[in-house]
Amino acid sequence: EVQLVESGGGLVQPGGSLRLSCAASGFIFRSYDMNWVRQAPGKGLEWVSYISTSSSTKYYADSVKGRFTISRDNAENSLFLQMDSLRDEDTAVYYCAGVLEGYWGQGTLVTVSS
Amino acid sequence: QSVLPQPPSASGTPGQRVTISCSGSSSNIGSNYVYWYQQLPGTAPKLLIYRNNQRPSGVPDRFSGSKSGTSASLAISGLRSEDEGDYYCAIWTGSMWEFGGGTKLAVL
Repeated sequence: EVQLVESGGGLVQPGGSLRLSCAASGFIFRSYDMNWVRQAPGKGLEWVSYISTSSSTKYYADSVKGRFTISRDNAENSLFLQMDSLRDEDTAVYYCAGVLEGYWGQGTLVTVSS
Repeated sequence: QSVLPQPPSASGTPGQRVTISCSGSSSNIGSNYVYWYQQLPGTAPKLLIYRNNQRPSGVPDRFSGSKSGTSASLAISGLRSEDEGDYYCAIWTGSMWEFGGGTKLAVL
């Protein structure tokens, strides 16, 4: 059974940092491109970042470019999102996802507030 | 505003057939596969349709997808109360995922 389990969310002040993690199991993680997708409270889905299987290619939404960094550790079946210079508008549930394949975690809530 | 506009809401009664549209342009829907996601209240999105009209295993054949030119549609036949939730279209442009604004489906 495919499982993606996110962790690392929480309350952080504007300007602060958080590192999200996603532990994958039940599929060959190293063979799949991965993404982070977020959903602000009561809002729709917003793609945040993409990483290829070998980490050679990374893409970011304009809204997070220069502040967020995606990475992965295929040996540990893990995906990460380093979030710096956080803003109020980054408040959302963050999902780890293999969007093409329909693999999604349950999400972790990030709240940016003073 | 999403580059893939969807109607904000749709509704139907049990047993009815409803369709949800997703409109775009030649540079997005017109040249890429369309995916459809269902998000039930309080849950993560679930893939319903991939590559315009393909259903993953386990998705009932009540759900069907189609694409014509620069627009796409999701049809749900034999509507059931458990279908109530949000539905999103999505495309991969080659460098990003674009999601539609979402359609909230109510089963009356």
